[in-house]
Amino acid sequence: NAGVTQTPKFQVLKTGQSMTLQCAQDMNHNSMYWYRQDPGMGLRLIYYSASEGTTDKGEVPNGYNVSRLNKREFSLRLESAAPSQTSVYFCASSQDVRQNTEAFFGQGTRLTVV
Amino acid sequence: SQKIEQNSEALNIQEGKTATLTCNYTNYSPAYLQWYRQDPGRGPVFLLLIRENEKEKRKERLKVTFDTTLKQSLFHITASQPADSATYLCASLGNFNKFYFGSGTKLNVKP
Repeated sequence: NAGVTQTPKFQVLKTGQSMTLQCAQDMNHNSMYWYRQDPGMGLRLIYYSASEGTTDKGEVPNGYNVSRLNKREFSLRLESAAPSQTSVYFCASSQDVRQNTEAFFGQGTRLTVV
Repeated sequence: SQKIEQNSEALNIQEGKTATLTCNYTNYSPAYLQWYRQDPGRGPVFLLLIRENEKEKRKERLKVTFDTTLKQSLFHITASQPADSATYLCASLGNFNKFYFGSGTKLNVKP
């Protein structure tokens, strides 16, 4: 039972480079999320997808784009990486965000932008 | 703006004591609050959910309360053990289906 799988686990980018973080869940969940976690800042919502076919901005969307490719997959793209985007990124999913269901998290992607 | 806040200072307690962590929310009225545990280098793991019409919820050594008057949830771990050392986060659903987390409180249980 894989749950939520994120790739890659680690990545180093140069300023200005682009990359896509991949996330897939095998629990048939409707809702998916991307968070970033910085020391002392907790988890901050970047983008979310309440259901397949919809995406919405969270608290800190600037510099990011997302794609809900299908019900299983939700990717996060950095078009032009900046040092301020150095962080740990977590993908999560839940059965339905509107039904108060618990969220399941991936193992995280540790991104460093130099 | 909607806020969900936790004490950023670490909580240090002795093994066997009860740990109490606080989660406060402002500028909204969540229908429920969730609590998660996060270990270093790992993603958060769900522990408990409490709804606004529930005063208290228990699961083994864990207890959560929800006080809509104080706009606060308390998370208790009784008979704490060193293995309970971790960061604990509260979370709730805000407007427009945004699922927010607090910054977390680190708990250190000393033997």
